[in-house]
Amino acid sequence: DAGVTQTPRHEVAEKGQTIILKCEPVSGHNDLFWYRQTKIQGLELLSYFRSKSLMEDGGAFKDRFKAEMLNSSFSTLKIQPTEPKDSAVYLCAGGDQNTLYFGAGTRLSVL
Amino acid sequence: QQQVRQSPQSLTVWEGETAILNCSYENSAFDYFPWYQQFPGEGPALLISILSVSDKKEDGRFTIFFNKREKKLSLHIADSQPGDSATYFCAASRTGGYKVVFGSGTRLLVSP
Repeated sequence: DAGVTQTPRHEVAEKGQTIILKCEPVSGHNDLFWYRQTKIQGLELLSYFRSKSLMEDGGAFKDRFKAEMLNSSFSTLKIQPTEPKDSAVYLCAGGDQNTLYFGAGTRLSVL
Repeated sequence: QQQVRQSPQSLTVWEGETAILNCSYENSAFDYFPWYQQFPGEGPALLISILSVSDKKEDGRFTIFFNKREKKLSLHIADSQPGDSATYFCAASRTGGYKVVFGSGTRLLVSP
């Protein structure tokens, strides 16, 4: 079991850039989540997919954040354009019976 | 109504002591309460969980005590080890649902 794989582990972007974060979930999990983690806000849900269909697109994050699930084994999170306040750790998680299996995350720094 | 609160924000205990982490919630519809453990540089990982039909769940040195009437639960870590030093998140959801509400976490440091 390779677990959930996220790439890159670290990303540095300039304000206004477009960045794409990648996630390879564990095979067999029907649910896929993108979370943002910061010290102040904690864990915030960005997007949720069930069986590759987008079920929730994160409300306040809709305008510059777009998650896609191209197939059952690959998902991306695009942030366009990036802003300094987007600096955070972005976590992808597969879901199975109410349990979340998180990747190690991508630490994004926006200058 | 969706909030999950944790206290304390940080906790330091000596090796061998019992660490007690507290959690409360507001939404009485929540019936599943997992605790996640997160080490620096890693994502959170499920540590132990409890359903609201139970008032206690044990797994080795980790025990959840659950009080449905007061909407409170706590995680007890017996015989704490330095390797237990991590951030612990209390979470709540409804079984069959997908939304998991996380608390803000308790950062535990176990000193040798």
